[in-house]
Amino acid sequence: EDQVTQSPEALRLQEGESSSLNCSYTVSGLRGLFWYRQDPGKGPEFLFTLYSAGEEKEKERLKATLTKKESFLHITAPKPEDSATYLCAVQSNYGGSQGNLIFGKGTKLSVKP
Amino acid sequence: GAGVSQSPSNKVTEKGKDVELRCDPISGHTALYWYRQSLGQGLEFLIYFQGNSAPDKSGLPSDRFSAERTGGSVSTLTIQRTQQEDSAVYLCASRTGLAGELFFGEGSRLTVL
Repeated sequence: EDQVTQSPEALRLQEGESSSLNCSYTVSGLRGLFWYRQDPGKGPEFLFTLYSAGEEKEKERLKATLTKKESFLHITAPKPEDSATYLCAVQSNYGGSQGNLIFGKGTKLSVKP
Repeated sequence: GAGVSQSPSNKVTEKGKDVELRCDPISGHTALYWYRQSLGQGLEFLIYFQGNSAPDKSGLPSDRFSAERTGGSVSTLTIQRTQQEDSAVYLCASRTGLAGELFFGEGSRLTVL
């Protein structure tokens, strides 16, 4: 069964304190791994798609990496405006619901000034 | 419109009533998804539509839930005889085909009293 586990559930950082969020996954053939940001009361906002192990993508202070078992979202020198819940999702190449994205429960990030 | 539009943004109803939630996807997007997000939980897949293919209904939690997509565009999610456990945010998303990033709407928050 396809599964996504994110850790930690919550993370508190001081402004400028770099850290990483983890997304561990099991999937029968990875079609894509997705990172989203969700602010309170809003829909998820797309950040990155990763397709194969070794791939990396960057956007401002965020960098996503991918291995065969997990993905990391690295946050460098975070600012208070980076506070949000970060969601990870996977899509499988096989099975009856190939079009579906399986989401983790997210990591709630708080960055204090 | 420029993004995925959902209505109503908030709906309060009494237990046992039927509700309809509407989603207007991004123009040209052939795939449309419905997810449910309960407090403290991840996004739970409900159903997706892709072009003229039969919808994947594998995530619908009971036969009280149904959805249709008219003319390959607007979709309506219907919940009959609502229960308190149906209270959640219902998110709609769309994309071009079954690959690539999903674009989400802001969600419809349903409260069943």
